[in-house]
Amino acid sequence: DIVMTQSPDSLAVSLGERATINCKSSQSVLNSSNNKNYLAWYQQKPGQPPKLLIYWASSRESGVPDRFSGSGSGTDFTLTISSLQAEDVAVYYCHQFYSIPLTFGGGTKVEIK
Amino acid sequence: QVQPVQSGAEVRKPGSSVKVSCKASGGSLSTYNIIWVRQAPGQGLEWMGRIIPMLNIANYAERFQGRVTITADTSTNTAYMKLSSLRYEDTAVYYCAVGGQAWGQGTLVTVSS
Repeated sequence: DIVMTQSPDSLAVSLGERATINCKSSQSVLNSSNNKNYLAWYQQKPGQPPKLLIYWASSRESGVPDRFSGSGSGTDFTLTISSLQAEDVAVYYCHQFYSIPLTFGGGTKVEIK
Repeated sequence: QVQPVQSGAEVRKPGSSVKVSCKASGGSLSTYNIIWVRQAPGQGLEWMGRIIPMLNIANYAERFQGRVTITADTSTNTAYMKLSSLRYEDTAVYYCAVGGQAWGQGTLVTVSS
């Protein structure tokens, strides 16, 4: 199984400041045949289902604000919120869909400082 | 755009089973992979399994093998997840997701005597 490890578990960021979440996979999720990283990022607010933010590690889902960006390749990935807004308070999960069983990171809780 | 709608909350006794439905509107289920994910109270996301309706192939997380069955009925555009031999620790919100993008609202399953 591919283990997804997120860090930190939680972070508090001032409004307008940058938030950075890291995700490391125990094996590469890069498919060399199409050069795509099978890595997604989700946002989950209390009482709501997860919402897809980023797929293929860096492609933003339609309607997602451009302050959200994803980067990385292979085993190391980052989700960046360039200027934190109040509505971004949530738990963020990375997710590999490269191989079965699909797996999620443990989540990172983002709060306002 | 496909949007899944799940069945309502359930209460079951230990040892019984539960079947949760996931009906897609706005598109055909058969075009997508359907995954099932659960979230215990205050916990992270746990992948349970998936089905490829077009091929009628299902894969399951090892920890649920033998207890979970995922099916899809393309004629009614509905996917199902049945979990048997329920335990108290199966109390959770169960989600279906279509193609990883569109998530159902979640179904709370409570296991209680």
